[in-house]
Amino acid sequence: GENVEQHPSTLSVQEGDSAVIKCTYSDSASNYFPWYKQELGKGPQLIIDIRSNVGEKKDQRIAVTLNKTAKHFSLHITETQPEDSAVYFCAASRPGGGNKLTFGTGTQLKVEL
Amino acid sequence: NAGVTQTPKFRVLKTGQSMTLLCAQDMNHEYMYWYRQDPGMGLRLIHYSVGEGTTAKGEVPDGYNVSRLKKQNFLLGLESAAPSQTSVYFCASNFRGGGADNEQFFGPGTRLTVL
Repeated sequence: GENVEQHPSTLSVQEGDSAVIKCTYSDSASNYFPWYKQELGKGPQLIIDIRSNVGEKKDQRIAVTLNKTAKHFSLHITETQPEDSAVYFCAASRPGGGNKLTFGTGTQLKVEL
Repeated sequence: NAGVTQTPKFRVLKTGQSMTLLCAQDMNHEYMYWYRQDPGMGLRLIHYSVGEGTTAKGEVPDGYNVSRLKKQNFLLGLESAAPSQTSVYFCASNFRGGGADNEQFFGPGTRLTVL
């Protein structure tokens, strides 16, 4: 089955700096790669996603890049703010089979003032 | 719309006790999922359902059973709880289909402790 690895497990940045979280996946059939943000005591919430026919996607301060050949994808957050502090999860899914997601192990992002 | 709701929010069980976690969604979603979240391990899929009356095993199904008698509800049962089942449990739902409809919507979670 699919295996998703995520790095780093913790990341501390100064407010205004950029943050990058990286994930690799193993199943070449995976074609959907979402990123979820989880705030303390809450369920994960989708912040951005990308499909395998696209190399990059941007939404204001966040962007995701995908390298299908290398089987890795990354989340980029620019101009970080204290409210960006949370746990971020990457995930991967292949077509069919109930849209099941395989998650990475998460990155605790801390944005310091 | 309430989205995805979970009952209860917290529960403490003794080893060997049983309980049922309830998930409800009001978005008319076909697909529903149960995950467990443990420190350093991300979210792991326990069971899922692609429609009323159907269920399937995920990555870590042992010790759990599920039922989807109504489209809007997905129940997760622990017949004989073990300390290894101490975790935070999340339910999620998904519209169905590819395209732009892959987003899974998560509930707020149930924190379960088994003593």
